[in-house]
Amino acid sequence: DAGVIQSPRHEVTEMGQEVTLRCKPISGHDYLFWYRQTMMRGLELLIYFNNNVPIDDSGMPEDRFSAKMPNASFSTLKIQPSEPRDSAVYFCASSNILAGGEETQYFGPGTRLLVL
Amino acid sequence: SQQGEEDPQALSIQEGENATMNCSYKTSINNLQWYRQNSGRGLVHLILIRSNEREKHSGRLRVTLDTSKKSSSLLITASRAADTASYFCAATGTASKLTFGTGTRLQVTL
Repeated sequence: DAGVIQSPRHEVTEMGQEVTLRCKPISGHDYLFWYRQTMMRGLELLIYFNNNVPIDDSGMPEDRFSAKMPNASFSTLKIQPSEPRDSAVYFCASSNILAGGEETQYFGPGTRLLVL
Repeated sequence: SQQGEEDPQALSIQEGENATMNCSYKTSINNLQWYRQNSGRGLVHLILIRSNEREKHSGRLRVTLDTSKKSSSLLITASRAADTASYFCAATGTASKLTFGTGTRLQVTL
């Protein structure tokens, strides 16, 4: 398996523009997670899905952020309009819950977003 | 929140020495995991310890868990330059999500 795939790897955009980040989870995984990592705030969970359904979006910072998972092999995280404070590395991760609640999350390489 | 908090924030050692990182969390957990992040990369799972386990080994890694103190430690023995990375603990409770700590930045010098 190729692992979790994210695109683009780098994105530079201007304030006010729409940004769409994409993720393809590992085939067969039931869970998909979106994280944001910054120096100031560390690694933050934004939202996660189970079987394509959003379960917890309490980490989504504000209405400018939205995430979708139209099918088991694709998810998007959209920021509209983008702001400089959204600059961060955005990670997608996927996992499969094993018996006993044990899970290992597999992370993608991340998308480095810079909003000017 | 079951947020893990790692200690120290940064650690610098020489190759061959052992590195110990600590993690504390706030509420009851099902398991606790340690991840490594190399610069510019995503996190990679290292080891998982269940709440009913006290110690676990994997190669040069040794993890302990003390649920009474709500703490865990990660020991890397005979460190190598390639171990240079940030290390995160993550606690899992009743929900499926992990809550990561702020990480320990480990620097292993030759």
